Amino acid sequence: EPEVTQTPSHQVTQMGQEVILRCVPISNHLYFYWYRQILGQKVEFLVSFYNNEISEKSEIFDDQFSVERPDGSNFTLKIRSTKLEDSAMYFCASRGALAGTYNEQFFGPGTRLTVL
Amino acid sequence: GENVEQHPSTLSVQEGDSAVIKCTYSDSASNYFPWYKQELGKRPQLIIDIRSNVGEKKDQRIAVTLNKTAKHFSLHITETQPEDSAVYFCAATKRGADGLTFGKGTHLIIQP
Repeated sequence: EPEVTQTPSHQVTQMGQEVILRCVPISNHLYFYWYRQILGQKVEFLVSFYNNEISEKSEIFDDQFSVERPDGSNFTLKIRSTKLEDSAMYFCASRGALAGTYNEQFFGPGTRLTVL
Repeated sequence: GENVEQHPSTLSVQEGDSAVIKCTYSDSASNYFPWYKQELGKRPQLIIDIRSNVGEKKDQRIAVTLNKTAKHFSLHITETQPEDSAVYFCAATKRGADGLTFGKGTHLIIQP
C-alpha cells in the first residue's frame, strides 16, 4: 500500500537557522498538508496546498513558514528562522480527489524538529 | 474558526469492555468527521470517518455516531483488546476548508 514518506526523521537545529522538511506524498494525490504536534499535545493544522498554491493556512503559518512543490513528487516546508517554540513533530499528509465528497488524509511518519 | 472539544483526556477500561470517546464541534458547516488512532511515536492513522449526511457508521468493533443538531460525535469501541491502547483524536472539517481541526486526544488504556 502506498504511503507518505518524510525526511529527515529527526532534525536538530540552532535557533535562528533555516530548516527544510521534505515530504513525498502518495503519487496520485492532489491535496497536500502540513501539520505539527507539540509533544503531548494535539495535532495542529498549518497549511494546505492544491494546484501549486496554498489553499488554506492557519494562524500558526506566519511569514516564517513557506511551502513548495519543487517537482512532481516532493512537497517541502521551510521555516526561515527557527524559534525554540517551533520544536515539534511535523506531519505531512496527502489526499486524493473524489468528486463531490471529502476523503481520507494519509499522514506521513513525521519529522521531529528540535530547536536548541 | 472551528473548535473541537474532546473528552475524556484519559480513559481506562477493562479488556473486553466498551469504550466511548466524545467530541463536540462549533462550526455548523463542518461536514466531515474522521477519527485517528496514534500509537506512541507513530503517525496518526484513520480508523473510521463519517460524513454529515449519515448518523451512524460501523466497522467491526468500531462505530461512530453523529448528532448534527447537537454538534457532537462519538467513537464507540466494543470488546476492547490490548492493541486498542493508543491516543485517539477526533477531527472536523468542511468542504472548501481543507485543514482538519483536531481535538486534544484521548489516551485509551486497556487494562488486562
